[in-house]
Amino acid sequence: AQTVTQSQPEMSVQEAETVTLSCTYDTSESDYYLFWYKQPPSRQMILVIRQEAYKQQNATENRFSVNFQKAAKSFSLKISDSQLGDAAMYFCAYRSLNAGKSTFGDGTTLTVKP
Amino acid sequence: NAGVTQTPKFRILKIGQSMTLQCTQDMNHNYMYWYRQDPGMGLKLIYYSVGAGITDKGEVPNGYNVSRSTTEDFPLRLELAAPSQTSVYFCASSSSRDEQYFGPGTRLTVT
Repeated sequence: AQTVTQSQPEMSVQEAETVTLSCTYDTSESDYYLFWYKQPPSRQMILVIRQEAYKQQNATENRFSVNFQKAAKSFSLKISDSQLGDAAMYFCAYRSLNAGKSTFGDGTTLTVKP
Repeated sequence: NAGVTQTPKFRILKIGQSMTLQCTQDMNHNYMYWYRQDPGMGLKLIYYSVGAGITDKGEVPNGYNVSRSTTEDFPLRLELAAPSQTSVYFCASSSSRDEQYFGPGTRLTVT
């Protein structure tokens, strides 16, 4: 079974600065999907970014980018120019290519200081 | 296009009562999921379904039941509610290769 580990329960960043959230996973599969979700205080889960394992290029969505290291099984999220609205809990998730369910990490709570 | 809807938003149950949490999606997704999230914690998968008529257990299925008679609906049944079932419950859906789309959650308190 796959496992996803987020080793930072809490992180903080100054507004306008850059922060990186860590995620590692364990799998024996060669192809899969990885996701970062954001859960603000409203509790609504929102997709931040996705990465297909067969793609070498790191995914980018505006201020959010990932550092995907397949051999190291690492999938970190970088948030540039942090904004107050980025404050949330962030979850890393793994999904097998042909399986129905995803595996989520325990989350990292990000605080943005003005 | 409403996405994933859940009802009710809040509910208080007494110990031993039963209830059904409703979940509906309008995206024609085959996959649907139920998670619970305890305060400050991550998501734990209760049950999931890969299509109408097919369901399977997740990590924490005890005390819950599901059914999937249509593509759109995936209700979660709590029988004999216990304080340990106090949590926020999320329903989600997805296609075979995409991210999951989540409902707004149901906050359940069992006293």
